[in-house]
Amino acid sequence: DVKVTQSSRYLVKRTGEKVFLECVQDMDHENMFWYRQDPGLGLRLIYFSYDVKMKEKGDIPEGYSVSREKKERFSLILESASTNQTSMYLCASSVSGRSGDTQYFGPGTRLTVL
Amino acid sequence: RKEVEQDPGPFNVPEGATVAFNCTYSNSASQSFFWYRQDCRKEPKLLMSVYSSGNEDGRFTAQLNRASQYISLLIRDSKLSDSATYLCVVNTRNDYKLSFGAGTTVTVRA
Repeated sequence: DVKVTQSSRYLVKRTGEKVFLECVQDMDHENMFWYRQDPGLGLRLIYFSYDVKMKEKGDIPEGYSVSREKKERFSLILESASTNQTSMYLCASSVSGRSGDTQYFGPGTRLTVL
Repeated sequence: RKEVEQDPGPFNVPEGATVAFNCTYSNSASQSFFWYRQDCRKEPKLLMSVYSSGNEDGRFTAQLNRASQYISLLIRDSKLSDSATYLCVVNTRNDYKLSFGAGTTVTVRA
């Protein structure tokens, strides 16, 4: 079974703090994704990576950066957390770059920024 | 306009009932279509892909209507365990990025 793990299930941070969210997948997948999920808005893509050290902006990259130094690990960074970044953050991975490949999700990190 | 739109529900149905709901997508060039299921406080998981000719997986039937740009999901003989949010997912950009609807919530009651 594919396993995608995220470093924390719940996280509380203060405005202005730097926040790191870590995601690890164990199936040698090429693609990794970071989404945020908010009520009524569904999942929105923040960033994705199709190879080590490669990244592309998704639909809402502002206020976020990412790092992929190893194939299995994809980190999301909030340089200076703000209250509007309070959300559920979901990491996902997929096998390759084929159109519509199944994405496997981690359990999510619920981030609260006070 | 959102790329993928769904009726949020909730659809409250008794056990054994049939429930069906649709999802519309905006890009006529979309190529791949899926239904994901998300249980309360859990991550989304693939339920089934949707093929042009329609397809079944046990009690679940998915249909695609390209002319009207919608996909549907029908659940027969509903079980309590079918209670979840169903996410409509479309590949709209001809690459590996997916667009997610906000989800349709189904609650099956005893």
